[in-house]
Amino acid sequence: DAGVTQSPTHLIKTRGQHVTLRCSPISGHKSVSWYQQVLGQGPQFIFQYYEKEERGRGNFPDRFSARQFPNYSSELNVNALLLGDSALYLCASSLRQPSYEQYFGPGTRLTVT
Amino acid sequence: GIQVEQSPPDLILQEGANSTLRCNFSDSVNNLQWFHQNPWGQLINLFYIPSGTKQNGRLSATTVATERYSLLYISSSQTTDSGVYFCAVERNAGGTSYGKLTFGQGTILTVHP
Repeated sequence: DAGVTQSPTHLIKTRGQHVTLRCSPISGHKSVSWYQQVLGQGPQFIFQYYEKEERGRGNFPDRFSARQFPNYSSELNVNALLLGDSALYLCASSLRQPSYEQYFGPGTRLTVT
Repeated sequence: GIQVEQSPPDLILQEGANSTLRCNFSDSVNNLQWFHQNPWGQLINLFYIPSGTKQNGRLSATTVATERYSLLYISSSQTTDSGVYFCAVERNAGGTSYGKLTFGQGTILTVHP
């Protein structure tokens, strides 16, 4: 079975631009969470979506938004990019019930210049 | 929010040595996971262990939920064990999961041949 997939793998953007990152969960998983990992730190929670609804949001500005589609794939959008948005963006999926175990994709490495 | 502390921050071993990594957390949890992050950023699931003890080959883990800590044991370490080990928890919100894992700062393990 395929694991969590993310695209693109790498991305270079300029300050002020907009970016869209994509994630496909493991087949049968209905919950998708997004995390940001800056160099030298652990991942930080951005959003969780379950059954196409936002169920949790971390401490990130409104420039960050996301959505989940009927096939449970998800997009993370970031507007007005800042240099500090440079990071590894990780997507995780889970069944949510009965187990809360999360499985992570390989990530998208975003560089903002 | 919940606090997660990992120790030690850095660990250097000779191949064949054993080690113990510790994770302390500040609140009751319904999810605790240990991950190994490889040099490409992929988070590899080691254990889903909100309580109890599990073993997988040379690795084992124990979580004592009532005392709010978890331990990851690595026996007979190999150079391929090198990397960053993360503990991540989700606070118990009355049985509801928001998919919000809070990560520790990680333990950087280096195994020399």
